[in-house]
Amino acid sequence: DGGITQSPKYLFRKEGQNVTLSCEQNLNHDAMYWYRQDPGQGLRLIYYSQIVNDFQKGDIAEGYSVSREKKESFPLTVTSAQKNPTAFYLCASSISVAELFFGEGSRLTVL
Amino acid sequence: AQTVTQSQPEMSVQEAETVTLSCTYDTSESDYYLFWYKQPPSRQMILVIRQEAYKQQNATENRFSVNFQKAAKSFSLKISDSQLGDAAMYFCAYRSAFYNNDMRFGAGTRLTVKP
Repeated sequence: DGGITQSPKYLFRKEGQNVTLSCEQNLNHDAMYWYRQDPGQGLRLIYYSQIVNDFQKGDIAEGYSVSREKKESFPLTVTSAQKNPTAFYLCASSISVAELFFGEGSRLTVL
Repeated sequence: AQTVTQSQPEMSVQEAETVTLSCTYDTSESDYYLFWYKQPPSRQMILVIRQEAYKQQNATENRFSVNFQKAAKSFSLKISDSQLGDAAMYFCAYRSAFYNNDMRFGAGTRLTVKP
């Protein structure tokens, strides 16, 4: 079945560590997105990519990095510069300006 | 920048009754899309319904319907014959029809369904 796969579902990070969240899609969508979800704040955009080898910062890109080397993959790295990384992270993709399709999310906790 | 406001952090409804969730948005664009997403405890975001701004007719999907008031920039979701499985967080979202960029979300409304 076509869809978006995020891994891992749960991730723990120690202070000062970088961690990478995986996002893979087999929907043949050009655009991919990373959102962060905190309680009471809805979803906030971290980064998005409309085409391979190109991506743009969203509203809260500081402390995060991404790459888009393949159409199917859009990994997100949470760096040690992100001071409050504990959150739920959602990856999404779309084929046009219509709806986004979401993965099941990854929960990151800082120890 | 476009903003989306959901003024009801929590709502509750009796099973089989009807409930309406409110959403307002701010934009200077003439063409856009509006969405309602459901996020159950599994945290998976599920599209409930979408509305194209150029369409005057309100969208409906089975028990879900919207009241789209373009001049008032209002986009409410009505759930009829509420079921226990409707309990979830509901997010209203906006997306421009001109720029293939991000989708803007409201803060969400937590819906509880009482048996």
